[in-house]
Amino acid sequence: AQSVTQLGSHVSVSEGALVLLRCNYSSSVPPYLFWYVQYPNQGLQLLLKYTTGATLVKGINGFEAEFKKSETSFHLTKPSAHMSDAAEYFCAVYTGGFKTIFGAGTRLFVKA
Amino acid sequence: NAGVTQTPKFQVLKTGQSMTLQCAQDMNHNSMYWYRQDPGMGLRLIYYSASEGTTDKGEVPNGYNVSRLNKREFSLRLESAAPSQTSVYFCASIDSYGYTFGSGTRLTVV
Repeated sequence: AQSVTQLGSHVSVSEGALVLLRCNYSSSVPPYLFWYVQYPNQGLQLLLKYTTGATLVKGINGFEAEFKKSETSFHLTKPSAHMSDAAEYFCAVYTGGFKTIFGAGTRLFVKA
Repeated sequence: NAGVTQTPKFQVLKTGQSMTLQCAQDMNHNSMYWYRQDPGMGLRLIYYSASEGTTDKGEVPNGYNVSRLNKREFSLRLESAAPSQTSVYFCASIDSYGYTFGSGTRLTVV
């Protein structure tokens, strides 16, 4: 069965530091992979997605993610954290049949 | 603004009461979804509608019913609310770029 695992329910970084949010997936078919961000009291917004082609995907707000098939990973990174990046981040895998599996989420804290 | 609109934003129900959560999208998307979000569990799919006139169960359909009224609207009904249905509910529609989510309905069942 397909699944998504996000390592770490909470991640804390200092402003200006590297952001790394980890996501591993399992899928029996080539996956479509997504990262979404959720700010307080809002719905989820698409940050970036991987479908096919280039494995390094750039998204909004300076985030990027790399699809590594051999490691079944799709980690999200940003070189320099900003206070406005504080939010909850969800990794997701599209499994076909109109269904997407979401990870449990990682809450990012940014310290001044 | 184009997007997904959910009503109400907040609701408190007593156990056994019924209610309908409304959702409408104006992006002409075929597929619409209802998710629930609980702490530490991500989003879990309740029901979805691949196209107008069709609905299918997701991961956690028990206690819910849905209606795809037309291409724009997809409602979620709780016939007899239970405390276990206390959650934040999100409606979403999808195109090739990914999901567009509504801002959610925070439901408390006491």
